[in-house]
Amino acid sequence: EDKVVQSPLSLVVHEGDTVTLNCSYEVTNFRSLLWYKQEKKAPTFLFMLTSSGIEKKSGRLSSILDKKELFSILNITATQTGDSAVYLCAVLGGSNYKLTFGKGTLLTVNP
Amino acid sequence: SAVISQKPSRDICQRGTSLTIQCQVDSQVTMMFWYRQQPGQSLTLIATANQGSEATYESGFVIDKFPISRPNLTFSTLTVSNMSPEDSSIYLCSVEDGPGQQYFGPGTRLTVT
Repeated sequence: EDKVVQSPLSLVVHEGDTVTLNCSYEVTNFRSLLWYKQEKKAPTFLFMLTSSGIEKKSGRLSSILDKKELFSILNITATQTGDSAVYLCAVLGGSNYKLTFGKGTLLTVNP
Repeated sequence: SAVISQKPSRDICQRGTSLTIQCQVDSQVTMMFWYRQQPGQSLTLIATANQGSEATYESGFVIDKFPISRPNLTFSTLTVSNMSPEDSSIYLCSVEDGPGQQYFGPGTRLTVT
């Protein structure tokens, strides 16, 4: 069975801190790994990673994939209260080319 | 990326009734997906809806409970039938806009009393 595991499940930091969120996976027929930010209902797309070792960057967020060790990390530097959200990792693959989601990491950034 | 809207945004329904959720996309897309997110849980795929063919349901989901329509390349509906409190969830549609990239609609929060 395809599996995506995120850690930690929750994290509380102060503004300005740097955080690293982890995602490991066991998915057959891996195609890509995606990160989403979910604040209320709708997950918003952050990154899609398909190749190992190539960092994707957007402002204070960055992410990298290791296809040998089957994991990805999402880094957020100089955190702000607006970064408070659930961060979801999902892997596209499996026998029917579908997204399998992890349970998410709840990030709380305190002022 | 595609702009996706969903209606209703939220609803409170009585046990035993049905609710149809609409998903509209501003561009033509081949694949549309319906997900459920139960309280405190992550997203679970209900079914994949391709235009012109029957929806493909994931294990644990059946057409009688979650009938889906996909009449054209920009629209889909999901019906939650004969609802029970266990169906209280956020229901999300998504589309594939670019290889492997899925974008989500704003979601429908359903509460069944």
